[in-house]
Amino acid sequence: KAGVTQTPRYLIKTRGQQVTLSCSPISGHRSVSWYQQTPGQGLQFLFEYFSETQRNKGNFPGRFSGRQFSNSRSEMNVSTLELGDSALYLCASSLENANYGYTFGSGTRLTVV
Amino acid sequence: QKEVEQDPGPLSVPEGAIVSLNCTYSNSAFQYFMWYRQYSRKGPELLMYTYSSGNKEDGRFTAQVDKSSKYISLFIRDSQPSDSATYLCAMLDTGNQFYFGTGTSLTVIP
Repeated sequence: KAGVTQTPRYLIKTRGQQVTLSCSPISGHRSVSWYQQTPGQGLQFLFEYFSETQRNKGNFPGRFSGRQFSNSRSEMNVSTLELGDSALYLCASSLENANYGYTFGSGTRLTVV
Repeated sequence: QKEVEQDPGPLSVPEGAIVSLNCTYSNSAFQYFMWYRQYSRKGPELLMYTYSSGNKEDGRFTAQVDKSSKYISLFIRDSQPSDSATYLCAMLDTGNQFYFGTGTSLTVIP
C-alpha cells in the first residue's frame, strides 16, 4: 500500500514569493495534518483537514493556509515567504482520528533565500 | 511551560546497550501516547503506541506510561547501529491534536 506522498521533496524560494506544497494521503485516510519541523522548535502543528474542512489550527500567521480536496489530497500554501519559513514541512494522514497515530510523508524541505 | 518536555540529547551508546528515552508532560487529559522514530532526511515513523498507563512491549522496544507522574519512557534493549535516529514522543489530546517532544538524537556505536 502506498504511503503518504509529498511533492516536491526540495524547494528553494526567494523572500516575498509564495509556495504551494502537496500531500497525497494513504488511501482511505481522510484526515491530513501539516507540521513545520525546525531544529530549534521541533514539530509545530500548522493545521488539520478532515472531509475538506479545517478541523484544527495551530498558532501560525495567516500567511500559512491549506485546503483539502474531495479525494483527501491536501495542499498548503505559504505567501510572502520569510527567511524564518525555511524548514521541513511534513504532512501526516490518519483515519478519522489519530488515536492509532499518524503516517508521515518524507516531507518537503523548503529553503528561503 | 511546554506541554511536552523531552531531553534533546544527543545520546551516544555502544552497541548492545539498553537505551532509556523519556518525556514528561503537563496535560493530565492526554490519553494516547506514542513514540516515533525519525531517520535523517525522512519523516517520523510510528514505533510504539500506548493507551493510558502501563507497559507495552514489541520486540526489543518497551513503552511505559506513568500517568500519575506524567512521565513516559521508551526502552530499547540490545541496541543496534540501525537504531541510530531521533526519537520523538507524542501525545494526543481529546481534541485530536498531537503534542510532540522536540526529539532525542540517539547514536549507537558499533
